[in-house]
Amino acid sequence: AQSVTQLGSHVSVSEGALVLLRCNYSSSVPPYLFWYVQYPNQGLQLLLKYTTGATLVKGINGFEAEFKKSETSFHLTKPSAHMSDAAEYFCALNYGGSQGNLIFGKGTKLSVKP
Amino acid sequence: DAGVIQSPRHEVTEMGQEVTLRCKPISGHDYLFWYRQTMMRGLELLIYFNNNVPIDDSGMPEDRFSAKMPNASFSTLKIQPSEPRDSAVYFCASRGQASLNTQYFGPGTRLTVL
Repeated sequence: AQSVTQLGSHVSVSEGALVLLRCNYSSSVPPYLFWYVQYPNQGLQLLLKYTTGATLVKGINGFEAEFKKSETSFHLTKPSAHMSDAAEYFCALNYGGSQGNLIFGKGTKLSVKP
Repeated sequence: DAGVIQSPRHEVTEMGQEVTLRCKPISGHDYLFWYRQTMMRGLELLIYFNNNVPIDDSGMPEDRFSAKMPNASFSTLKIQPSEPRDSAVYFCASRGQASLNTQYFGPGTRLTVL
């Protein structure tokens, strides 16, 4: 069965520090992997996605994630946090192809301290 | 593109009343998803459609909830009768063939049942 685990429901960093949000998955076939961001009182917005090819994926707002099959991970990073990065981040997967739904993790709320 | 459109953005109603939430997907998208988000349960998939046909409604909480998609550009989620525990933010999302399984979310409807 497919599943997504996000380690840490809350992460706090200082402005300018590295952001690392962890996501591990379980899938019996190669997955498509996604990171979404949700700002307060808004819908989810796609940050980046991995389908096939290059395992290091760059997204919007300076975020990137690396697909590591051997570790079944897809961690999200940003070298230097900005106050505007404070939001909730969701990791998700599906099998690609005709599978309709995404399997979401429970989310990680990122706080950025001045 | 206007993105996914949801109405109303906020709904306050009293227990026992019927509530109808509306969604207009992105033009050309053939998948439509309804989600519910609460603090306690996080993001839950309620139902999704492909080409206007319900594919998986296993997430619909109970018979009080129903969803329809009469055509490719409109869907409704109805709760009858509503209860205080239905208070949540309801999101609609859509996905197209060319989007490599990426779902695009609407801004959500915040429902409060008193």
